[in-house]
Amino acid sequence: ETGVTQTPRHLVMGMTNKKSLKCEQHLGHNAMYWYKQSAKKPLELMFVYSLEERVENNSVPSRFSPECPNSSHLFLHLHTLQPEDSALYLCASSQDGTGANGYTFGSGTRLTVV
Amino acid sequence: AQTVTQSQPEMSVQEAETVTLSCTYDTSESDYYLFWYKQPPSRQMILVIRQEAYKQQNATENRFSVNFQKAAKSFSLKISDSQLGDAAMYFCAYRTRGLNSGGSNYKLTFGKGTLLTVNP
Repeated sequence: ETGVTQTPRHLVMGMTNKKSLKCEQHLGHNAMYWYKQSAKKPLELMFVYSLEERVENNSVPSRFSPECPNSSHLFLHLHTLQPEDSALYLCASSQDGTGANGYTFGSGTRLTVV
Repeated sequence: AQTVTQSQPEMSVQEAETVTLSCTYDTSESDYYLFWYKQPPSRQMILVIRQEAYKQQNATENRFSVNFQKAAKSFSLKISDSQLGDAAMYFCAYRTRGLNSGGSNYKLTFGKGTLLTVNP
């Protein structure tokens, strides 16, 4: 158990579907992150939440919509995605917004858009 | 903007031997953090080792150690007595130590990774 749990582990969705990814941590961390991991590319930061407030949106298309209802939960709502959005989506958390001690990552959701 | 470069897409090592993974980075900042993460097939990113740029002493964690050369902006990872369980993708990452709230201060910038194979 990593301390950061992501569900579902795998997701296949059509371009017209709406789905959500869920991330949960009970480590007492107050910052949470969404990263996108595509083959042959560095991890890309998508969103950052600190104390449940979004502090960074890294030029992510509006078809990705994050939600942080409390410090333990983070969602990524997906709608009208494109095949190029297929990737591993990783959630992470850190003790504080500085992330000085590194992040704790979940095992990711493998998303395939068909 | 900071960039992180891992010039070795793949490396292999014999079990019980030593291997070094390379990482260079580009930054105009003087104070920052550097990390090595490991991602096995389970996909979970695991923190291996962390270095604070203002500390000259190289970080060590059991069989893992780094060679931090600040002037050269180099941060290599040495794995001693390699084990089969060390086989994974290894990512080097950079983070600013800036204390301003919000924005890019929260960002971990990753390299593209090095796939390490351990041969029995």
